Amino acid sequence: DVHLVESGGGLVQPGGSLRLSCAASGFTFSSYSMHWVRQAPGKGLVWVSHIKSDGSIKTYADSLKGRFTISRDNAKNTLYLQMNSLRDEDTAVYYCARDDYRRLYLVDYWGQGTLVTVSS
Amino acid sequence: EIVLTQSPATLSLSPGERATLSCRASQSVNYYLAWYQQKSGQAPRLLIYDVSTRATGIPARFTGSGSGTDFTLTISSLEPEDFAVYYCQQRSYWPPTFGPGTKVDIK
Repeated sequence: DVHLVESGGGLVQPGGSLRLSCAASGFTFSSYSMHWVRQAPGKGLVWVSHIKSDGSIKTYADSLKGRFTISRDNAKNTLYLQMNSLRDEDTAVYYCARDDYRRLYLVDYWGQGTLVTVSS
Repeated sequence: EIVLTQSPATLSLSPGERATLSCRASQSVNYYLAWYQQKSGQAPRLLIYDVSTRATGIPARFTGSGSGTDFTLTISSLEPEDFAVYYCQQRSYWPPTFGPGTKVDIK
């Protein structure tokens, strides 16, 4: 079974940084592109970032303006999201998600999410 | 950026009834339209991709249809576990975008 387990969320002050991790199991992690998708409290889903299976291509939502960095360690089966200069509006549950390798940008499995709260 | 609009925002129905959810795109997304279900406090789950193909393990009561800019998710007979929020998503253009969701709640 595919398992994606996020960690690293928590309370951070505006302007602060946080690094999220996603531990993957149950599939060959190095063969799949991965995503981060977020959901503000009571709101809808918003795509954040995508990384190709080998890490060679990374894309981001325009609204992030260079504050977030996606990365992966295929030897550790782990996906990361480094978030800097955090703002109140970054408060959300952050989901790690797997891309369907045959259909780019189709998410076929999601983790349970980790809550990031940006507040003073 | 492709904007997806979903209607209605909320659909109040009883178990056994038919649910019809709509998703409209600001321009044609070809057949690259998916539907996800999200139950309260849970992660989303893929239901339908490429307009009408059910994901693994999805019951036949879920049907997707449409083309171009107008798409529909139909649940033929609502089961108690189907009361949730449903999101459409397009992947035809970067960035991938989601609709605002339709909540199906119990009448």
